[in-house]
Amino acid sequence: NAGVTQTPKFRILKIGQSMTLQCAQDMNHNYMYWYRQDPGMGLKLIYYSVGAGITDKGEVPNGYNVSRSTTEDFPLRLELAAPSQTSVYFCASRSEGYEQYFGPGTRLTVT
Amino acid sequence: LAKTTQPISMDSYEGQEVNITCSHNNIATNDYITWYQQFPSQGPRFIIQGYKTKVTNEVASLFIPADRKSSTLSLPRVSLSDTAVYYCLVGDRRGSGNTGKLIFGQGTTLQVKP
Repeated sequence: NAGVTQTPKFRILKIGQSMTLQCAQDMNHNYMYWYRQDPGMGLKLIYYSVGAGITDKGEVPNGYNVSRSTTEDFPLRLELAAPSQTSVYFCASRSEGYEQYFGPGTRLTVT
Repeated sequence: LAKTTQPISMDSYEGQEVNITCSHNNIATNDYITWYQQFPSQGPRFIIQGYKTKVTNEVASLFIPADRKSSTLSLPRVSLSDTAVYYCLVGDRRGSGNTGKLIFGQGTTLQVKP
């Protein structure tokens, strides 16, 4: 199993550009999460999903959108990138138990 | 949603036992307590989970008093490689408030010195 994979690993965006961060898991987990982590800070929940076709907002959803058309994939869309979205983005998944499995992260810089 | 409070930072020396306490006064009946470890530039990694009393695995112990309003992660004989940020989370098996949502607090930065 590859676990949770994220692409790209790094990305530099100009202000106003858009992009999609990809996340995929091969563990057949129902629950998937997107977090962002600013330097020296804890993780903030952006969006999460409890199953295909079901998504909900987390703590900091503004400026982002998600979709969950399959169990495996949970892409995060950034529209009109802003410098405040410079961060490391982590995707995670879990089953009905509690252990979350995290991807390696995407480091995004908006200039 | 149950909110957690942890110390911002702690220092220790190699070989010592480290105890990190997390306060969760509003924990619900169905909530479990889970601890994660995060190294720089990596995603968090699951350490241990418990509901009440004591749980032990190969890397840590988790102590939960009867009222469950706090929990203590115990790391025996720490080494330099245990320097990391430690987070406690509270929620039921389907997430906080039975919604699937899982929210991390600020975490505790543990610095282990030689």
